[in-house]
Amino acid sequence: AQSVTQLGSHVSVSEGALVLLRCNYSSSVPPYLFWYVQYPNQGLQLLLKYTSAATLVKGINGFEAEFKKSETSFHLTKPSAHMSDAAEYFCAVSGGGSYIPTFGRGTSLIVHP
Amino acid sequence: EAQVTQNPRYLITVTGKKLTVTCSQNMNHEYMSWYRQDPGLGLRQIYYSMNVEVTDKGDVPEGYKVSRKEKRNFPLILESPSPNQTSLYFCASSRPPGQGAYEQYFGPGTRLTVT
Repeated sequence: AQSVTQLGSHVSVSEGALVLLRCNYSSSVPPYLFWYVQYPNQGLQLLLKYTSAATLVKGINGFEAEFKKSETSFHLTKPSAHMSDAAEYFCAVSGGGSYIPTFGRGTSLIVHP
Repeated sequence: EAQVTQNPRYLITVTGKKLTVTCSQNMNHEYMSWYRQDPGLGLRQIYYSMNVEVTDKGDVPEGYKVSRKEKRNFPLILESPSPNQTSLYFCASSRPPGQGAYEQYFGPGTRLTVT
């Protein structure tokens, strides 16, 4: 069975600082990988996804993620945090031998002025 | 507009009173799923459906029922709600996961309180 680990339930950064949200997966074969964002009082929406076309994936709102097979990681980054980035972020995996998508526990991003 | 709708958005009920949360999608997706979200526990899958008349248990199915009689609808039924089912519920749909990088589309959520 595949699993997803998000390191850190909360990440706090200052406005303008680098954002790094960590995601590691376990899968016997390269899966499909996703990052979702959940703004307060809303459902989840897709931020970006890895489709094997390129290891560096660009998403909405300036976020990007890099697939590293050797490290089984798919960390999410943004060079400069904005107050509007404050939200819950979920890493998810599907495929890789399992049909059912698996979500990480989520990381709450807090942005300080 | 492609969307997943859920109703009601907010519900306060009492222990033991049967309730149904509806979910509908207009994207002709085969796969639909229900999740509950609780603080510190992330998203936990309750039930999922690969297609019409095909449903299966997720990680936390106890106390819930589902049905998939039509492709677009996937209602969640709580036959006898209990306070530990107080949570935020999300419905989601997608093309068949695992067959491609198909993201899930989420509804806006239903906040349920059982007293």
